[in-house]
Amino acid sequence: NAGVTQTPKFQVLKTGQSMTLQCAQDMNHNSMYWYRQDPGMGLRLIYYSASEGTTDKGEVPNGYNVSRLNKREFSLRLESAAPSQTSVYFCASIIRQGLYEQYFGPGTRLTVT
Amino acid sequence: KQEVTQIPAALSVPEGENLVLNCSFTDSAIYNLQWFRQDPGKGLTSLLLIQSSQREQTSGRLNASLDKSSGRSTLYIAASQPGDSATYLCAVRPAGANSKLTFGKGITLSVRP
Repeated sequence: NAGVTQTPKFQVLKTGQSMTLQCAQDMNHNSMYWYRQDPGMGLRLIYYSASEGTTDKGEVPNGYNVSRLNKREFSLRLESAAPSQTSVYFCASIIRQGLYEQYFGPGTRLTVT
Repeated sequence: KQEVTQIPAALSVPEGENLVLNCSFTDSAIYNLQWFRQDPGKGLTSLLLIQSSQREQTSGRLNASLDKSSGRSTLYIAASQPGDSATYLCAVRPAGANSKLTFGKGITLSVRP
C-alpha cells in the first residue's frame, strides 16, 4: 500500500514552459487535492476533486489546470510556467470529506527560472 | 472565514522536556482537527485526528486535546527527543458540505541533545 505518490520529485522549468505533475493514491479515496507550500504563506489549496468526475477551484487556482483522470489519479498542469509558481506542490487525498483523516504525498519541488 | 493560528513559529527545547504546542482557530463549527508533522524537504505525516465530539486523542508519547468552545487545541509531547525535531502543523476541517482543511503555518520544533 503505497499511499499517495507524486511524480516527479524535483523539476526545473524555464518561464513559459509547460508541465504536468502527477498524483496517484491506492487507498480507494474519493476526494483529492492539490496544494502549494511557500515560506511564510503556509499551505494553500489550488484545486480539489470531491469525487471522480468533479473538480473545483481552491484558494489559488490561477495559472493551473487539473484533471481527475480516474478515481486513483489527479494531475496538475502548468500551461505556461512563471517564476511565481516556484513552490513545493503537495497532493493529498481523503476517503471522503467530513470525518476522516487526510493523507499527503511526498511533494514535488518545482523551480521556474 | 476560518483562521488557524500557531504561536510561536519556532521553539527550541532541551531533550527530555515535556512540551505543549498550541493551535487556535476562530470558528468553532468544525468536523475535526488534525495534527501533522513535516520533516525538512518531506511531505506531511498525519499524527492525530480529533473529531469535534472528542476531547483528546493519544498516540504513544503524543496527546492532542481539543476545546472546541474556546477554539483551541494543544499537542503534548512527552519526554521530547532530538528525533521529534520537525515542523508541526494543525489543520481544522470546518463543518459543512465539501469542507476543506484550513491550515496553520506550523511550529518548527528543535530538540537539543
